[in-house]
Amino acid sequence: GAVVSQHPSWVICKSGTSVKIECRSLDFQATTMFWYRQFPKQSLMLMATSNEGSKATYEQGVEKDKFLINHASLTLSTLTVTSAHPEDSSFYICSAADRASYEQYFGPGTRLTVT
Amino acid sequence: AQSVTQPDIHITVSEGASLELRCNYSYGATPYLFWYVQSPGQGLQLLLKYFSGDTLVQGIKGFEAEFKRSQSSFNLRKPSVHWSDAAEYFCAVAGGGKLIFGQGTTLQVKP
Repeated sequence: GAVVSQHPSWVICKSGTSVKIECRSLDFQATTMFWYRQFPKQSLMLMATSNEGSKATYEQGVEKDKFLINHASLTLSTLTVTSAHPEDSSFYICSAADRASYEQYFGPGTRLTVT
Repeated sequence: AQSVTQPDIHITVSEGASLELRCNYSYGATPYLFWYVQSPGQGLQLLLKYFSGDTLVQGIKGFEAEFKRSQSSFNLRKPSVHWSDAAEYFCAVAGGGKLIFGQGTTLQVKP
C-alpha cells in the first residue's frame, strides 16, 4: 500500500531557530501534499496544500512567511518553521494524495517542541 | 459549507461489547466519506471509505460503516471491541480537494 514517511519523527529546537520537516511518498507519486497541525486532544487543522512545482495554498490564518512549504518533486514536500517560538510546538502531520484518488495517505507525524 | 460533526467526544465500552461511533456531515453533493484511527503520537490510518455504491462499507480490523443519505450520517460500527481498539477516531469528508475532519472521538476500552 501507499506509504508516506516523515522526518524527523520528533525535534527539539531553541526559540528563534528554524526547523525543516520532510514528507516523502515512498511508493507513489504525489501531485498534492497536505500539511496539518494537531494540538493535544484536538482534531487535525489543515495548514496548507502544496502541489508539485507550484506555490502552496495556505489556509486562512496560517502565516505563509512563518511556515514555508516547498514541493519540489512528486515524492517530497518540506515544511520549514522559521523563527520558531514555543507556541509553534505541536504535532505536524503530512499527507499525500495520488493522481487519481480523493484518498490521502498520512505520514506518522513530527512532534516539534520549541524551548 | 462542508462540515463534519462527531457528537461523542469520549466513549467507553467494555471489551467484547459492540461499538458505534457517530458521524454527521454537511455536504451539498454526493460525499466521499472516510473513517481514520489514530493511536497516541501516531499518524492516521484509514479504516474505511465510502465513494459510491453499497451503503454498507467494510473496513480493516473488523470495522464497518453505513452511509445514510437521509440522515447525513456515516456511523462506524464494530460488533466486538478489542482492547487494542482504544484510540482516537476521526470521520472526514472530502470537499474542494481537501479533507474536512470531525472533532474526533476518543475510545476507551474497559477490560
